Amino acid sequence: SAVISQKPSRDICQRGTSLTIQCQVDSQVTMMFWYRQQPGQSLTLIATANQGSEATYESGFVIDKFPISRPNLTFSTLTVSNMSPEDSSIYLCSVEEGQGVEQFFGPGTRLTVL
Amino acid sequence: GDSVTQMEGPVTLSEEAFLTINCTYTATGYPSLFWYVQYPGEGLQLLLKATKADDKGSNKGFEATYRKETTSFHLEKGSVQVSDSAVYFCALSDYTGRRALTFGSGTRLQVQP
Repeated sequence: SAVISQKPSRDICQRGTSLTIQCQVDSQVTMMFWYRQQPGQSLTLIATANQGSEATYESGFVIDKFPISRPNLTFSTLTVSNMSPEDSSIYLCSVEEGQGVEQFFGPGTRLTVL
Repeated sequence: GDSVTQMEGPVTLSEEAFLTINCTYTATGYPSLFWYVQYPGEGLQLLLKATKADDKGSNKGFEATYRKETTSFHLEKGSVQVSDSAVYFCALSDYTGRRALTFGSGTRLQVQP
């Protein structure tokens, strides 16, 4: 399976600031996804990021708050803008592989907003 | 829309006990079904999958069978170990639509020695 890395692995940020999370894959993939896992909760899809097109956001998530870039087939970034304590979560990227069935996840970025 | 329902946790078992974690789903198409595991402090790992009715996914002693008639994908293991302590997520992917995963709420398993 693809090897997926994320930077940073964790961060503590001040309210009102922004953080950009990077996701790097060691092979070319068409579809990448960004998820959020709030403390003690399940995973919720933020958006789907395909190379060469704008990200598709789920209900409740907007581009101004979570802008995403997907400049090539191995890399994507998610920015969490104008952060508040409610944004404290683990943010995970995932990629679709193989026959297009399973997804594999990066290690996650643990964000704490004070 | 698609949804996944898992049994509430935490589930606490003694080592070598039998494990069942229930999972049922609702989907408009013919989804693929997955179990993911999240060990303490780690990311999400794919445990097993099934892509069509009556398929059985298996890995590391865990099994789950895709039951279309009951829309279920229950996770089982015959003899759990302390190292199986983790949070288990049932998920589906419906390729008629958005292709992303829909997750259940997760079930925390704690195995005591």
